[in-house]
Amino acid sequence: DGGITQSPKYLFRKEGQNVTLSCEQNLNHDAMYWYRQDPGQGLRLIYYSQIVNDFQKGDIAEGYSVSREKKESFPLTVTSAQKNPTAFYLCASSIGWTGASTDTQYFGPGTRLTVL
Amino acid sequence: KQEVTQIPAALSVPEGENLVLNCSFTDSAIYNLQWFRQDPGKGLTSLLLIQSSQREQTSGRLNASLDKSSGRSTLYIAASQPGDSATYLCAVKGLGANSKLTFGKGITLSVRP
Repeated sequence: DGGITQSPKYLFRKEGQNVTLSCEQNLNHDAMYWYRQDPGQGLRLIYYSQIVNDFQKGDIAEGYSVSREKKESFPLTVTSAQKNPTAFYLCASSIGWTGASTDTQYFGPGTRLTVL
Repeated sequence: KQEVTQIPAALSVPEGENLVLNCSFTDSAIYNLQWFRQDPGKGLTSLLLIQSSQREQTSGRLNASLDKSSGRSTLYIAASQPGDSATYLCAVKGLGANSKLTFGKGITLSVRP
């Protein structure tokens, strides 16, 4: 059963704590992405990775960090430097970065992070 | 900077109605445009992808059109059903090696039985 999994579904964080959101895909995709979604807002790109061991900052990378040590995994760490981390976080993957006609992004189910 | 606009933010229609969802974008230099569906608290599902050289794509009761020169796309839903109730997001992919998807805020559709 191929797809993208994210865990946990819900995450609560105390102020000052770092937390890591998991994203795993078994689609054999090269590219992976992290987005943030706030109520009534479109998705904003946090980080993306075109290939293993490489990643780039998106539009709102401050306060976040990522790693891409394995092709199938792209974890996101929300650090204490992120001032307003409460949001819905979505991970996605695609075959590649170039956007061929079949190269749509496939999304995971999301993680809702709440800061207490 | 690319901006994608979807108006209105919400729409309520009776079951069976044919409807059109609109999307506009400011920079016509795009690689492709996609329409996604998002159910509450869930991830996104791709509905249709239109390459910049294409005018439309169809899947079942859905038809998406693209007018790149005017910066507009429409998603047509025929014979709407309560199961179509969801948020529909439009996204454009820019040109270039480091291009990314730019999303609109979405249109929340409610189809009343």
